[in-house]
Order: sequence, then structure tokens, then C-alpha cells
Amino acid sequence: QSALTQPPSASGSPGQSVTISCTGTSSDVGGYNYVSWYQQHPGKAPKLMIYEVSKRPSGVPDRFSGSKSGNTASLTVSGLQAEDEADYYCSSYAGSNFGVFGTGTKVTVL
Amino acid sequence: QVQLQQSGPGLVKPSQTLSLTCAISGDSVSSNSAAWNWIRQSPSRGLEWLGRTYYRSKWYNDYAVSVKSRITINPDTSKNQFSLQLNSVTPEDTAVYYCARESTIFGVVIPFDYWGQGTLVTVSS
Repeated sequence: QSALTQPPSASGSPGQSVTISCTGTSSDVGGYNYVSWYQQHPGKAPKLMIYEVSKRPSGVPDRFSGSKSGNTASLTVSGLQAEDEADYYCSSYAGSNFGVFGTGTKVTVL
Repeated sequence: QVQLQQSGPGLVKPSQTLSLTCAISGDSVSSNSAAWNWIRQSPSRGLEWLGRTYYRSKWYNDYAVSVKSRITINPDTSKNQFSLQLNSVTPEDTAVYYCARESTIFGVVIPFDYWGQGTLVTVSS
């Protein structure tokens, strides 16, 4: 099972928005509404930010939103803040292969 | 509040067995609405799901194809924890290993909502 494809980096100034893409296939992202997103700060475990494409767990700011079109999912961070600087990973259910993660995107707040 | 506390050696020799444990507080390894996972992360392989154990009237296990022949995940109900064993390790298995919970609430699956602190395991002689 190949990893989902994400851009290596993305950036934005404080207050701006940044959108990260996550491209898979019809066997994972395109086939199920089970895309999730994780935020990871250096030396820390990943933190769940979005599940089922667009749902936010309790405690996650509504500045974080998710969507999907075909085989590509997206995470948008609006109103960027300094603490949003981190690595972001997508993940998708992949049927008999269970789960696959994305390659990761480093978000820099300029 | 759910907490997952990992333990185990940080150095394993090639061809030997990697063993890690994840102690659960705030939930039960026998919960009918949770699954208990192992995930690893390395610069070369990124994040990689390895497998899970869960209880739904009986115990089930699912494993990633890439490690299926070498992996065992076991629950320990007496200590409310679960373990990972990975046999015949090579330097390619060097990674940070995480345990993580997947929960189901009213039929909605919430993936990896709680994680352990991570354990760096180096495979080297």
C-alpha cells in the first residue's frame, strides 16, 4: 500500500489561511469517507485534528477544517497562529489494507 | 482522561525480537468500543500502521501486510495493557513506535484519538 501524497511544505503569515492536499486513489481516499488529519509538533506524538473528512474532535479549534473531492482530501487552517507551525499528516482507511498515512507536510508560519 | 504509557527497551539487536508494552488508564483494553493499535514512524517509511487488537465478544487482531509474518499484538486484561512483539528485526525496523487508541462512539469510528508518548527503538548490534 503506497503512502498518500502530500506537498512537503506549506506556509502562510499569521492570520492567513493555508490549505494542504492529500492525494490517494479510489482504493483509499476516493473510496471511503474515512480521511483523518494529524498535527505533530517536534518530539511529540501526533494529535488528531479531523476525522471522517470534516469532523473535529472536541477541543480542536474551528480554524481547522477538512474536505474531500474525488481522490484528494484537503485540510485548511484559517487564521494561522504561531502554534499551528507543525507537521501535518493525512490518513485514510484503505479497505483490506486497513489504514495508510500521508507523506507529511511541514507548515511554517512566516 | 485516557492515558497510554509505553515501556520497553530502546535498543534491540538484529534478528532478535522487539517487545513493547502500552499501559492503559482511563479506559479498558477489553472495551467493546475501542481498538488498540501500534504505529511506527521513521524518516524512511514515514508513519506506518502496524496492527491492532480489539474485543467484540471475543478477541480479534488485524496486522499490516508488510509485517504480518513477524508481528504479534496481545492484550493483557489483568494489567489493562497490550503489547507488541516484532520478530527477526533488521535496521529497517528502527523507528519511533507509538501505541494509539481507536474508538467507536454511536457507530462513528474515531481513529487514533489518544497516543502514547512514543518509544525510539534502534536496531543495532
